[in-house]
Amino acid sequence: DGGITQSPKYLFRKEGQNVTLSCEQNLNHDAMYWYRQDPGQGLRLIYYSQIVNDFQKGDIAEGYSVSREKKESFPLTVTSAQKNPTAFYLCASSIDSGPSGTDTQYFGPGTRLTVL
Amino acid sequence: AQRVTQPEKLLSVFKGAPVELKCNYSYSGSPELFWYVQYSRQRLQLLLRHISRESIKGFTADLNKGETSFHLKKPFAQEEDSAMYYCALRAAISNFGNEKLTFGTGTRLTIIP
Repeated sequence: DGGITQSPKYLFRKEGQNVTLSCEQNLNHDAMYWYRQDPGQGLRLIYYSQIVNDFQKGDIAEGYSVSREKKESFPLTVTSAQKNPTAFYLCASSIDSGPSGTDTQYFGPGTRLTVL
Repeated sequence: AQRVTQPEKLLSVFKGAPVELKCNYSYSGSPELFWYVQYSRQRLQLLLRHISRESIKGFTADLNKGETSFHLKKPFAQEEDSAMYYCALRAAISNFGNEKLTFGTGTRLTIIP
């Protein structure tokens, strides 16, 4: 594996605290994504970024924030406003090849966040 | 809005028996469909995509626009096929074309020896 890494693997947070999850890729991919995986609900898109210094909300962005200052990094902050933050978080990246592209998304190993 | 439905949360099949994982979708545009797989202790990874019309690890999936389905099939199940399978639909999110994936809720496939 390699290519796209997430840290830490496990993260514990006290209620009311913000926490930042790291996602780094060395695949030279333009696009990066954050998903949340809950049992019985599949993967849901939180935020995505197609290029540096640009990002868009996904389906469940409330209570989360992101930044994309570098091509290889797309950190996700889970804020205290997120009502139910305990979940498994997956980061992914893909080459942005435009309208004719059929890009594969490559996933990181994930971070399991538990709010105590 | 697009939606992907995988009606079976769990599916158990005997080794050597045929496997079919169901996936139905709703989308007003022209869909691109994918199957992703997550083996135990491994990352989520692409298994196959409809546009490639390929067979990967013995699995095939045909896009049926009339029935809005993209079922995953394998004629003879193997123990190593045990995994979590997600069907996903790609919808263009901008003029750049890339690439919001909408995932189904997943089916956990267990192959019984």
